[in-house]
Amino acid sequence: QKEVEQNSGPLSVPEGAIASLNCTYSDRGSQSFFWYRQYSGKSPELIMSIYSNGDKEDGRFTAQLNKASQYVSLLIRDSQPSDSATYLCAARAAGGYNKLIFGAGTRLAVHP
Amino acid sequence: SQTIHQWPATLVQPVGSPLSLECTVEGTSNPNLYWYRQAAGRGLQLLFYSVGIGQISSEVPQNLSASRPQDRQFILSSKKLLLSDSGFYLCAWTGQGGLNTIYFGEGSWLTVV
Repeated sequence: QKEVEQNSGPLSVPEGAIASLNCTYSDRGSQSFFWYRQYSGKSPELIMSIYSNGDKEDGRFTAQLNKASQYVSLLIRDSQPSDSATYLCAARAAGGYNKLIFGAGTRLAVHP
Repeated sequence: SQTIHQWPATLVQPVGSPLSLECTVEGTSNPNLYWYRQAAGRGLQLLFYSVGIGQISSEVPQNLSASRPQDRQFILSSKKLLLSDSGFYLCAWTGQGGLNTIYFGEGSWLTVV
């Protein structure tokens, strides 16, 4: 069974701090990884995708990928209360059709 | 630009009643289409995907079925709902091939009572 694992949280950080979200995956055939943000009662929205080992930065967000360790992370700098949401990690399953396997999500709470 | 619409947004259905959720995509042709379900406090589970008209693949055995009668239309159905069918249903699309991103519709909240 191909799996993506995340700590469910909640992860509580003060406003302005760095939030670090982590994810591991079991399918070594996965080559593409995604972070989605989901506000309560809403559909997920894409934050970042990462395909290569190393870091990828986009504004306050940095995704990190280590394929050898099967580990993906998302750093949120200067966290804001509006960042409070559930963050879903997803791995594209090997074998085509763009199927994503999702983790259960980590709930992030940024307090003023 | 591409948009995806999903309806109804919310519904409450009795056990044993039928279900039909509909999803349409605009601004693209021949998309891959997906139905995901999210149970309360859980991650997203892929239910069905389709790479073309009439082509449906099921990921998990269940009380649901899917159909794709038109290129940009994807329908999720059930003949008789179970309590365990309650959840947040999400339609999603992506372009064919390559490293395409998956985008989600607004979702449909289903409560089976």
